[in-house]
Amino acid sequence: NAGVMQNPRHLVRRRGQEARLRCSPMKGHSHVYWYRQLPEEGLKFMVYLQKENIIDESGMPKERFSAEFPKEGPSILRIQQVVRGDSAAYFCASSRDWNTEAFFGQGTRLTVV
Amino acid sequence: EDQVTQSPEALRLQEGESSSLNCSYTVSGLRGLFWYRQDPGKGPEFLFTLYSAGEEKEKERLKATLTKKESFLHITAPKPEDSATYLCAVQEFTSNTGKLIFGQGTTLQVKP
Repeated sequence: NAGVMQNPRHLVRRRGQEARLRCSPMKGHSHVYWYRQLPEEGLKFMVYLQKENIIDESGMPKERFSAEFPKEGPSILRIQQVVRGDSAAYFCASSRDWNTEAFFGQGTRLTVV
Repeated sequence: EDQVTQSPEALRLQEGESSSLNCSYTVSGLRGLFWYRQDPGKGPEFLFTLYSAGEEKEKERLKATLTKKESFLHITAPKPEDSATYLCAVQEFTSNTGKLIFGQGTTLQVKP
C-alpha cells in the first residue's frame, strides 16, 4: 500500500512564476491536508480538503495561494507569482477520516530564486 | 491562543542513556495528541495518538504518556538510529476539520 505521494520533491521557481505542488493520498483516504514548514520553524496548517470541497482554509495566505482536490486526480496546491518568502517545504498529509491519524508525504521543497 | 510547546529544543544522549521529551499544550479542549518522528529531508512519520489523560502507548524503545496539560515521550536505552526530530501535535476538540497544531519539535541526537 503506497504512502502519500508528493511531486515534485524539489522545485525551483523564479520570482513571479507559478508553482504547482501535487499530492496523491494513501489508498482509501479521502481527506487531504497541506502544511508548510519554513526554515527553522514548525509545521503550520494551511488547508484541509475532501474530494471536491475545501473544508478549512484558515491557514492559507489570502492572496496567491489556492488548493483543490478534484474528483479525479491528485490534490494541487498552487502558488501564483511566487516570492522569496514562499521558499519552504510543503507537506501533504492524508487520513481516512477527519478524526483519524494523518500520514504525511515526503514533501516538496520549493526554492524561489 | 492555542499553543503547543516542546522542550528541550535539542537533546544529546549517549547510547543507552534514557530520557524524556516534553510537550505542553493549551487548547480549549483536547481531542487528540499526536507524536511524529521526522528525519532530515523527510516527512513526519506517525508514531502515536493519545486521547485521554492517563493513556499510555508503547512502540519499541518509545513510550508516550498523557496528562491534562502535557505529554511525555520516554525513550528507553536509545540507539543512534533513534536520532531524529520528534514532533508533538494537538487536535482541538471543537475542531471537526482534523487540523493539527504542531510544536517546534525536539531534535534528538544519540551518540554511540
